[in-house]
Amino acid sequence: NAGVTQTPKFRILKIGQSMTLQCTQDMNHNYMYWYRQDPGMGLKLIYYSVGAGITDKGEVPNGYNVSRSTTEDFPLRLELAAPSQTSVYFCASSYSSFNTGELFFGEGSRLTVL
Amino acid sequence: GEDVEQSLFLSVREGDSSVINCTYTDSSSTYLYWYKQEPGAGLQLLTYIFSNMDMKQDQRLTVLLNKKDKHLSLRIADTQTGDSAIYFCAESMDSNYQLIWGAGTKLIIKP
Repeated sequence: NAGVTQTPKFRILKIGQSMTLQCTQDMNHNYMYWYRQDPGMGLKLIYYSVGAGITDKGEVPNGYNVSRSTTEDFPLRLELAAPSQTSVYFCASSYSSFNTGELFFGEGSRLTVL
Repeated sequence: GEDVEQSLFLSVREGDSSVINCTYTDSSSTYLYWYKQEPGAGLQLLTYIFSNMDMKQDQRLTVLLNKKDKHLSLRIADTQTGDSAIYFCAESMDSNYQLIWGAGTKLIIKP
């Protein structure tokens, strides 16, 4: 059981470039999430999904897109990268909803936009 | 709006007890959580408490909840070097599908 796997672990982008952060989980969880973690701040929810084919915006969705074509995969796409998107990104999954379910996190992806 | 606040750092001596504090603003919280993040790793659930409980104990961990003051604490007894990490407090509400996170408290262990 690998849990939640994110790639890449580190990436440097130039302003205006695009990239996709990959996330996959092997626990057959319906719920998946993308968070960003900025220094001195709590995690902020970017997007979440309650099942394959269903996605919804979180607190800070601007500049990002997601898709959920399978239960296992939940990629996060950054279009036209900006310095404000420099952050550590975490993918997470859970068996049940936010309120009662334990979140399982990936190891994080550190993105720098220069 | 909703907010969860924690001190950014706590330094304790090995073998002492650590007490990490958290305050939250939303009285409709249903669950409150403590997650641990070790260096270079993702967050892991340590423990949680339902809002109708005052205390929960799990081996070296004790969680205290004061609903009147909206204050949550995590006590780690006999703190060890392996407890060095960032500890995040989070609250969930029935009203929306969101977890509200604190900024995390970095626990530093002195020999």
